[in-house]
Amino acid sequence: DVKVTQSSRYLVKRTGEKVFLECVQDMDHENMFWYRQDPGLGLRLIYFSYDVKMKEKGDIPEGYSVSREKKERFSLILESASTNQTSMYLCASSLHLAGGPGNEQFFGPGTRLTVL
Amino acid sequence: GENVEQHPSTLSVQEGDSAVIKCTYSDSASNYFPWYKQELGKRPQLIIDIRSNVGEKKDQRIAVTLNKTAKHFSLHITETQPEDSAVYFCAASSAAGNKLTFGGGTRVLVKP
Repeated sequence: DVKVTQSSRYLVKRTGEKVFLECVQDMDHENMFWYRQDPGLGLRLIYFSYDVKMKEKGDIPEGYSVSREKKERFSLILESASTNQTSMYLCASSLHLAGGPGNEQFFGPGTRLTVL
Repeated sequence: GENVEQHPSTLSVQEGDSAVIKCTYSDSASNYFPWYKQELGKRPQLIIDIRSNVGEKKDQRIAVTLNKTAKHFSLHITETQPEDSAVYFCAASSAAGNKLTFGGGTRVLVKP
């Protein structure tokens, strides 16, 4: 069973704080993704990584950065949190990328971040 | 970039009836179309997917159809049951095949 875990289920931060969200997967997957989920907007890709130290911008990278120092760990960083970053953040991993076999994305439980 | 639109946003059906969710995509080079189900308070999980070289795929009570010419694909759930109540997301791969773009989601409620 693939296990994707996230460091916190709920997080409350203040505007301007630096926020770290961590994601760990235990199935040796090459690819990891960070999404934010907002009602009516589906899942929007923030950043993804297809290898250690490699990262690519998704559709909404502004205000975020990422770090992947080890294969199993992918961190999302909010450099200076703002109220419009209040959202549910979901991490996912997959063995291969979207178009190939073994490309199912396995999601973590999510972190609900509130920025006050 | 890719744009995926999903309709309806909410769908209420009587137990035993069928449910249909439709999605359209913008990038004709997209070649992979998965559907994810998210039950209340849980993480999304893949329930079925289809590739662009196939027109239809079925798995028990769920089926997906793809019309490449019209750039739309649909999820069909037959004989709905209360456990089918969830939010369903469609998605389309990018032309490069390295990421997914998701639709806005459909909240399905199956009434007993």
